[in-house]
Amino acid sequence: GQQLNQSPQSMFIQEGEDVSMNCTSSSIFNTWLWYKQDPGEGPVLLIALYKAGELTSNGRLTAQFGITRKDSFLNISASIPSDVGIYFCAGLSGGSNYKLTFGKGTLLTVNP
Amino acid sequence: EAGVTQFPSHSVIEKGQTVTLRCDPISGHDNLYWYRRVMGKEIKFLLHFVKESKQDESGMPNNRFLAERTGGTYSTLKVQPAELEDSGVYFCASSRQPPRQGQNSPLHFGNGTRLTVT
Repeated sequence: GQQLNQSPQSMFIQEGEDVSMNCTSSSIFNTWLWYKQDPGEGPVLLIALYKAGELTSNGRLTAQFGITRKDSFLNISASIPSDVGIYFCAGLSGGSNYKLTFGKGTLLTVNP
Repeated sequence: EAGVTQFPSHSVIEKGQTVTLRCDPISGHDNLYWYRRVMGKEIKFLLHFVKESKQDESGMPNNRFLAERTGGTYSTLKVQPAELEDSGVYFCASSRQPPRQGQNSPLHFGNGTRLTVT
């Protein structure tokens, strides 16, 4: 089946630093999504990307849909303690309009 | 609007026992999905309901898993008999429409049920 390779697995940063994480795949995806999961809660959608090359921002978050359709990155600028959590990338391929493929997640820890 | 609610939040059972997980989607959301995350692995699709009909259950691990959505409202996922490898977090999600390309129909996830089989 399709797989998304998400990196890094975990990050430990100081408050105020910028952070970047990415997902790559050997398959093409037509939609890329980035979710955040807080402890004890379910994933919450942060950013959705629908076109190759698309760059979208949501506050301090910026994500891009790679030109090849096989990768995406998420940047967080000026991190704050509440950014702590697990960040997941997810993709939707042309063969399905509902079945998301998720990466394994990036665990972000922000030290105040 | 109330979010997707799942019950129980945690369940610890012994191998061989039966467990039933419940999901109440957001009102008006015809699409309901079950996903599972095994420790350290990715979140994986299990199945998709549109109203009371199963559209795709290709992600169900085996026939020990049974999902139902009688009346097209809440859904249950039963594991019988449970095995050690069934441990993980089971997420339910719902959406008004499927997240098709170009449409903003996000999946709203519940907080999950953490299942531990000992």
